[in-house]
Amino acid sequence: GAGVSQSPSNKVTEKGKDVELRCDPISGHTALYWYRQSLGQGLEFLIYFQGNSAPDKSGLPSDRFSAERTGGSVSTLTIQRTQQEDSAVYLCASSSASGGAHEQFFGPGTRLTVL
Amino acid sequence: AQSVAQPEDQVNVAEGNPLTVKCTYSVSGNPYLFWYVQYPNRGLQFLLKYITGDNLVKGSYGFEAEFNKSQTSFHLKKPSALVSDSALYFCAVREGGSARQLTFGSGTQLTVLP
Repeated sequence: GAGVSQSPSNKVTEKGKDVELRCDPISGHTALYWYRQSLGQGLEFLIYFQGNSAPDKSGLPSDRFSAERTGGSVSTLTIQRTQQEDSAVYLCASSSASGGAHEQFFGPGTRLTVL
Repeated sequence: AQSVAQPEDQVNVAEGNPLTVKCTYSVSGNPYLFWYVQYPNRGLQFLLKYITGDNLVKGSYGFEAEFNKSQTSFHLKKPSALVSDSALYFCAVREGGSARQLTFGSGTQLTVLP
């Protein structure tokens, strides 16, 4: 079956520009997560959506980062006024429910390079 | 707060030999533990998880992991390594209860030498 998909796979942008990263979760999965993977920082949690509940934004590193999830499915992560330290691979994951022992299924990631 | 430690950045093993990738965790409640593998330019792929019960968990591709509560460890093992097992391995923990996101270790690069 279809897994988690992300687009674009690669994004190169100039410092100060805004970028949007897209995530399509597995159909029927109610929980959606964004993580960031960078050298020296490992895998960092960014934000989590569960159904229609308010998202858990506790991992967002600054107010330049925001995310939304429309219709309980597709999610967009937006980074405004990008900085070089934003360069990383952004990973999206979904699971059939939140918490408990439900494993998360990851997409291939979007590699963001800020020049 | 929950945390995970993978003490080895790199593990090298000869093909056919057993392999172990170490993981220790810290949570205040009962842990849910996971292993993921990442191949180059790919996302993370789920290998196995520990919820409760049997301390030895079997997963994909012949991997298994042993949960040890007294040592707060969840080491990944495989009896006979393959060159194709070479990849980056991540241990992750989620505390039962209110925590939702996974907390990952820093990753261990496994290289299986032919």
